[in-house]
Amino acid sequence: GQQVMQIPQYQHVQEGEDFTTYCNSSTTLSNIQWYKQRPGGHPVFLIQLVKSGEVKKQKRLTFQFGEAKKNSSLHITATQTTDVGTYFCGPGGATNKLIFGTGTLLAVQP
Amino acid sequence: DGGITQSPKYLFRKEGQNVTLSCEQNLNHDAMYWYRQDPGQGLRLIYYSQIVNDFQKGDIAEGYSVSREKKESFPLTVTSAQKNPTAFYLCASRGTDNTEAFFGQGTRLTVV
Repeated sequence: GQQVMQIPQYQHVQEGEDFTTYCNSSTTLSNIQWYKQRPGGHPVFLIQLVKSGEVKKQKRLTFQFGEAKKNSSLHITATQTTDVGTYFCGPGGATNKLIFGTGTLLAVQP
Repeated sequence: DGGITQSPKYLFRKEGQNVTLSCEQNLNHDAMYWYRQDPGQGLRLIYYSQIVNDFQKGDIAEGYSVSREKKESFPLTVTSAQKNPTAFYLCASRGTDNTEAFFGQGTRLTVV
């Protein structure tokens, strides 16, 4: 079945450093979604990417969808303590099953 | 105020007892999902439902059961057959356009 892996599983950065998490799928995706889960909270939708090679920005966050539509990345510039949490990717397409990657836990030291 | 509500937030049960977790949404979403999350782990899909009176097993359905008698409600029963039920359970829903999923606040189940 479809699998989505994320790397790294955990990243610890100093506040102000950049951070990147990568999402890799075993199959071609129709689209990819990203979610953020704060510690003790629930996942919240960040963005959806649909087109091959698509790049979208949300303030300090940059999301990319690979040309082959099998991988994606989330890059955070100059991390802040508010960025702490677990970032999940998942194929948001019409498979109906709605699975997620393994997640990347980001810790930011002030 | 639209949203998806899970109750209770914390739940304690004795080993061997069945327990039912509630999930209600007023977003008029057709699809609903149940996930299990263990400390430091990702989201594992237990069951999902695309329409009333129909549901499918996810990746870890053993020891769980669900029903979908109403569009708004998708309760999850953790049965005594579930070997390690202590976990954080999340319910989600989304519309037919398969865009963003909305999650409930979660129920933290502890079995002693």
